[in-house]
Parts: sequence; C-alpha cells; structure tokens
Amino acid sequence: GENVEQHPSTLSVQEGDSAVIKCTYSDSASNYFPWYKQELGKRPQLIIDIRSNVGEKKDQRIAVTLNKTAKHFSLHITETQPEDSAVYFCAAINTGTASKLTFGTGTRLQVTL
Amino acid sequence: GAVVSQHPSRVICKSGTSVKIECRSLDFQATTMFWYRQFPKQSLMLMATSNEGSKATYEQGVEKDKFLINHASLTLSTLTVTSAHPEDSSFYICSARGMVGLNSYNEQFFGPGTRLTVL
Repeated sequence: GENVEQHPSTLSVQEGDSAVIKCTYSDSASNYFPWYKQELGKRPQLIIDIRSNVGEKKDQRIAVTLNKTAKHFSLHITETQPEDSAVYFCAAINTGTASKLTFGTGTRLQVTL
Repeated sequence: GAVVSQHPSRVICKSGTSVKIECRSLDFQATTMFWYRQFPKQSLMLMATSNEGSKATYEQGVEKDKFLINHASLTLSTLTVTSAHPEDSSFYICSARGMVGLNSYNEQFFGPGTRLTVL
C-alpha cells in the first residue's frame, strides 16, 4: 500500500518568513495530493491540492509543487502570519482505485512574532 | 461547499457504556464515508471505510465488533463504540466523499470531530 512520509515534524519560523513542508510517497500510481491544515481540536481543512498532471499550483501565499519522478511534493507558505500556526498534513491517493487517503505524520508549524 | 456535520461534539461516558457518533453530509450524497481516530499530537488514523448500503471495511488492528459502523443512507453514517474503555478516549473524525460538483469527487470533506472521554 501507499506510504507517505512528512518532514519536518515541527517547524518554527518568524512572521514574514517562508515555510516549506516536504512529503514523499511510495506508490507511483498515486495521482491526487491534498494538503490539510488542522487547528487544535478542529477538523482538518483542505487548503490546496494538486493532481499528477501538473507540477505546481499556487493560491495566494500558498503553493504546492509535485515531482512525480522523485515521488515527492512540497507545501510552500510565503509571508507567514501568526494565523498560519497549525498542524499541516499531506496526503496521497490513487483516485483510479478510489480507495482511501494516506496521510503524512503531520508538521506542527509555529509562526512567531 | 460541501458540509459534513458530526454529533455529538463532545461526550464523556463511564467505562463499559456504549457511545454512538453520527456523521451527516448536509448538502451532498456521500457514497463513501471514512472514520478516523486521532490521538493527541498524532496523525489521523483511518479506522474504517464504509460505502452506502454495504458493510464497512476495517483497517488492520481495528476491532469490527467493538467499533460498529452503519452507513444506511447516502447522508448518514454512525460509529458506535461498544463497551468503551479509557484507552478508547480519543478524537473521532468522520469524512465523506461523493458527488458534489463535476470536479470534486475525489475530495474528502471532514466533520468537526467528536471528543470522546471514557472515565
């Protein structure tokens, strides 16, 4: 089955700096990669996703890149703000089998003033 | 957007009792629902996948007789934790996937979670 690894487990940046979170996956058939933000005690919320037919996607301060050859994808947050502080999870799925998302272990991002 | 509700949001019960958690898709038909458990500072752990009208598929290590899942309609799935014990205390989150729009079939929409505390 799919295995998703996520690094780092914790990340502390100063407000205004950029943050990068990296994930690798094992199943080359995976073709959909969402990123979720989860605040303490709340539900995971989809913040951006990318499909395997594109290499990069951007939404304001958030971007995701995908390298299918290396089987890794990354989340980039620019101009970080205190409200970006949360736990971020990457995930991967093969939508052809429409089975289940495999989540990474999460990254706790702390944006300090 | 698609909305998933979960009830109750928080429950405290005595050891040995059973607890039922409901997950509803409010504005779309959820052909598949997923139940996750999340311990503090850990990732979401998939417990089971249920398709409407059929038996749930449980992940390895999850006791199907202890965690009863019913997905009788396209908008409702329930998780019953039977004979709950303190080690079952956790954050339980459901998610749903189905036909929302032409391009959103693959997205999973999460419920707000249920905090279960077993005394």
